[in-house]
Amino acid sequence: LAKTTQPISMDSYEGQEVNITCSHNNIATNDYITWYQQFPSQGPRFIIQGYKTKVTNEVASLFIPADRKSSTLSLPRVSLSDTAVYYCLVGDANTDKLIFGTGTRLQVFP
Amino acid sequence: NAGVMQNPRHLVRRRGQEARLRCSPMKGHSHVYWYRQLPEEGLKFMVYLQKENIIDESGMPKERFSAEFPKEGPSILRIQQVVRGDSAAYFCASSPRGGQGDEQYFGPGTRLTVT
Repeated sequence: LAKTTQPISMDSYEGQEVNITCSHNNIATNDYITWYQQFPSQGPRFIIQGYKTKVTNEVASLFIPADRKSSTLSLPRVSLSDTAVYYCLVGDANTDKLIFGTGTRLQVFP
Repeated sequence: NAGVMQNPRHLVRRRGQEARLRCSPMKGHSHVYWYRQLPEEGLKFMVYLQKENIIDESGMPKERFSAEFPKEGPSILRIQQVVRGDSAAYFCASSPRGGQGDEQYFGPGTRLTVT
């Protein structure tokens, strides 16, 4: 089963831009890439979704290269409240299953 | 429009008992997914259901675990004869259409503790 991997943790300071990358080298051809945010003791919350190139909404941007084997979630000007775990979710080409990434724990410092 | 609801939020069971976890999807959503999250780990897919049908149960343990999503009422994840290793947070998510690109909305989770 192909892995969907992310850095375990990242640290940042308030006001900085944070980029979190997810590697999904066996993504299904027709599948989207979705990113979620999870706070302790809560369910994941949708952040952004894309298929290719760049997607932007009011909270984040998502960059997807042409080969779609990775994606980068970009959080502009993070605040303390952005401290959370961030997961990517993609479909695996071999199994056609949705696979969550390993998760990245973002810590934002004042 | 209420979000995805799960109950109970916390459930304590002794080894050998049964655990029943309920999930009410968002209004208008007919697709439900169940995930398990062990402490300090990511979410693992368990089962995908549509009204009255199990679409994909490849993530479900072969024994003791079952799920249903009846025509009326919430989706139920049932764990028989619980063991300590079943202690985890169980999340359900719902979506309106299922399939590619369909956003999943997650509930707050049920935290199961087996003593």
